[in-house]
Amino acid sequence: KNEVEQSPQNLTAQEGEFITINCSYSVGISALHWLQQHPGGGIVSLFMLSSGKKKHGRLIATINIQEKHSSLHITASHPRDSAVYICALIQGAQKLVFGQGTRLTINP
Amino acid sequence: DTGVSQNPRHKITKRGQNVTFRCDPISEHNRLYWYRQTLGQGPEFLTYFQNEAQLEKSRLLSDRFSAERPKGSFSTLEIQRTEQGDSAMYLCASSSRSLGYTFGSGTRLTVV
Repeated sequence: KNEVEQSPQNLTAQEGEFITINCSYSVGISALHWLQQHPGGGIVSLFMLSSGKKKHGRLIATINIQEKHSSLHITASHPRDSAVYICALIQGAQKLVFGQGTRLTINP
Repeated sequence: DTGVSQNPRHKITKRGQNVTFRCDPISEHNRLYWYRQTLGQGPEFLTYFQNEAQLEKSRLLSDRFSAERPKGSFSTLEIQRTEQGDSAMYLCASSSRSLGYTFGSGTRLTVV
């Protein structure tokens, strides 16, 4: 079993819909990253969180340390949000353990 | 500072050739990481440095792979006698406890 599991693996939605991507993990962590990867490979860190909730624009990330679960929400989704979203666990010396990613496609 | 810089962006090489990639981290970051990402998968950890010391290497890093970070600044990742299975995106990232984590744009290697 992978240490970190994301769901869904693929998600297609219409512009404006509320999007939720889930991340469950099975190991102890110091924090968790949500990352965005566009075609071409570049990865951008959206959030790093170790408890509670963070919000940036239309993006919201939550984490429940006891339940070992995190979610990434996108409100009022837009085609430019189309990307792969990756959950990554921070263990030890900030080494990241990555989920498989969720490929999000927002249609106009 | 322009972030984490990786060169080259793309590399096509013939099987059996050696290749070397370079990563220039954010100057204030003392930790530097190399990851490998194959198509459709999340990145996998290869190795990391704290300053110039290489502190951890993954089992994925076979004898054909070597990484250095002289003087704790830029880092190089060399692959000797490349194989088709080495084709992947090689990602570099740097971090510090107070300044967070930043990724480079990656080097896409294709071995033909």
